[in-house]
Amino acid sequence: GENVEQHPSTLSVQEGDSAVIKCTYSDSASNYFPWYKQELGKRPQLIIDIRSNVGEKKDQRIAVTLNKTAKHFSLHITETQPEDSAVYFCAASKGAGTYKYIFGTGTRLKVLA
Amino acid sequence: DADVTQTPRNRITKTGKRIMLECSQTKGHDRMYWYRQDPGLGLRLIYYSFDVKDINKGEISDGYSVSRQAQAKFSLSLESAIPNQTALYFCATSDLGTGGMETQYFGPGTRLLVL
Repeated sequence: GENVEQHPSTLSVQEGDSAVIKCTYSDSASNYFPWYKQELGKRPQLIIDIRSNVGEKKDQRIAVTLNKTAKHFSLHITETQPEDSAVYFCAASKGAGTYKYIFGTGTRLKVLA
Repeated sequence: DADVTQTPRNRITKTGKRIMLECSQTKGHDRMYWYRQDPGLGLRLIYYSFDVKDINKGEISDGYSVSRQAQAKFSLSLESAIPNQTALYFCATSDLGTGGMETQYFGPGTRLLVL
């Protein structure tokens, strides 16, 4: 079946450095790719998303890139801050217009002060 | 996001008991979802509903049932709880976002422990 692989499972960076999280999806019909941030004890919250007709999207210190040919997409966080520490989940829509996601298994990011 | 609420927030129950987790939303969204979250496994879809008369199984529906009582309410039941249903459960709602792509909004979660 369809799946989304996410790497790494844990990532530690020094404050001010960049962090990159990568996801690979299997369903070629997927056309929407959101990223969620989950702080400890909190609910997942959308931080950025990208559609399949766009290769890159940026919002201040975060950006997402999409390579449809290779079926992978990545989250980039620049100038990391301690408040960026959280678990990040990628997701891919399960086919086009199905309104369902398949989530990656999460990356625990630790930003060291 | 106070627009999606879940009750209870924490629950301890015993094997074999029937329990219900409730989700309410004031966003006016038609689509609602139940997920469970386990360490290292991410979020997995249990059931979803696109309107009051539409209920669909997700990837891991065995041992669960749902009820969509109204547009704003979607309940998840464990008919006979077992220890491996110990997990964090999230309700989510969605609408069509910009460009026709949905955004899902999550509730605060219910932490369930089955002894």
